[in-house]
Amino acid sequence: AQTVTQSQPEMSVQEAETVTLSCTYDTSESDYYLFWYKQPPSRQMILVIRQEAYKQQNATENRFSVNFQKAAKSFSLKISDSQLGDAAMYFCAYRGETSGSRLTFGEGTQLTVNP
Amino acid sequence: DGGITQSPKYLFRKEGQNVTLSCEQNLNHDAMYWYRQDPGQGLRLIYYSQIVNDFQKGDIAEGYSVSREKKESFPLTVTSAQKNPTAFYLCASSILQGTFATNEKLFFGSGTQLSVL
Repeated sequence: AQTVTQSQPEMSVQEAETVTLSCTYDTSESDYYLFWYKQPPSRQMILVIRQEAYKQQNATENRFSVNFQKAAKSFSLKISDSQLGDAAMYFCAYRGETSGSRLTFGEGTQLTVNP
Repeated sequence: DGGITQSPKYLFRKEGQNVTLSCEQNLNHDAMYWYRQDPGQGLRLIYYSQIVNDFQKGDIAEGYSVSREKKESFPLTVTSAQKNPTAFYLCASSILQGTFATNEKLFFGSGTQLSVL
């Protein structure tokens, strides 16, 4: 079974600075997709960024980018120029070729942004 | 506006009682899911359905039941067999493109907080 691990239960960053959230996963599949979701205090889940495993280029969405290391099975999220609105719980998620449409989530990292 | 509607927002269950959480979507999505969220444990899959009148157990299905009589609706019943039902429950849906994994995102509802009286 695939597992997703987020080893940082909590992180904090100063406004306008950069922070990196870690995610590792365990899989024997060769084809899969990885996602980062954000859950603000409203508890609404919002997709931040996604990465296809067959693509070597790291995905980027405005201030959000990933560092995808396939051999190391690592998928970290970098938030640049952090804003107060970035404060949220962040979840890493995995969908593999044998998962169908199912997603497996990590435990989450609570990000605090300090003014 | 298209989206997923969960109701109620808050629900209280008495011991021995079954309760049903509603989930409706107007996105014309084939697949629907129920996740349970506990502090420090992320989201865990309870049940999912990829087509009407068919559904599969997820990782923590014991004590729960579902039905998928209509494409738009996927209600979750928390039965009295679920001894620790207090949690935040999230419903989601997605386009199902064949049987292979895709990069399609999940669309989530706003959740239901279930507590035990």
